[in-house]
Amino acid sequence: IVLTQSPGTLSLSPGETATLSCRASQTISSNYLSWYQQKPGQVPRLLIYGASARATGIPDRFSGSGSGTDFTLTISRLEPEDFAVYYCQQYGSSWTFGQGTKVEIK
Amino acid sequence: QVQVVQSGAEVKEPGASVKLSCKAFGYSFTSYATHWVRQAPGQGLEWMAWINIDSGNREISQNFQGRVTLSRDSYASTAYLELSRLRSEDTAVYYCAIGIAATGTYYWGQGTLVTVSS
Repeated sequence: IVLTQSPGTLSLSPGETATLSCRASQTISSNYLSWYQQKPGQVPRLLIYGASARATGIPDRFSGSGSGTDFTLTISRLEPEDFAVYYCQQYGSSWTFGQGTKVEIK
Repeated sequence: QVQVVQSGAEVKEPGASVKLSCKAFGYSFTSYATHWVRQAPGQGLEWMAWINIDSGNREISQNFQGRVTLSRDSYASTAYLELSRLRSEDTAVYYCAIGIAATGTYYWGQGTLVTVSS
């Protein structure tokens, strides 16, 4: 399964809403789709699993939606600490990652 | 509290092999997958392989077939990845992550930097 994320870079101001897209080349079974956040020098941090379930400790401004082949991560009211790279991932038997979307400060 | 601890940084010459370890602490399931993912400097995440710590079932990405060997010590909750015939392009941080797909939650290690240089 190939995952294609868009856009490559998103330039936004704190307080705005970020909408990130992830499209799969084939249906992702059981909605085994996650979103990760990664900051420079840090381990990827799980935000969303099962397409829409927030991981433990993740603020409710992060939300995931979608099914089948089209998925979205929405970050409402961007905080300064939200500027990072975001990856979608399918986690069936094997894994695949999207190429990442960088959310940068405008 | 689940903790995943990886072995320390490695420096290898081209053509050599490296063996990395990944040990889980406090994970309540006895049958789980350990996945290996790497990230070259400035690049994205690349999945390499997985092994089931209990059964030993495994799968290796086509990109690494013939160069990756997976093993595990289930009693020590430790998985190993060996990468052979190293080249400069293998310089990366190698992460392991443990979990079960049905739970959706995977726990990541701190990463191991492997530098391949002559």
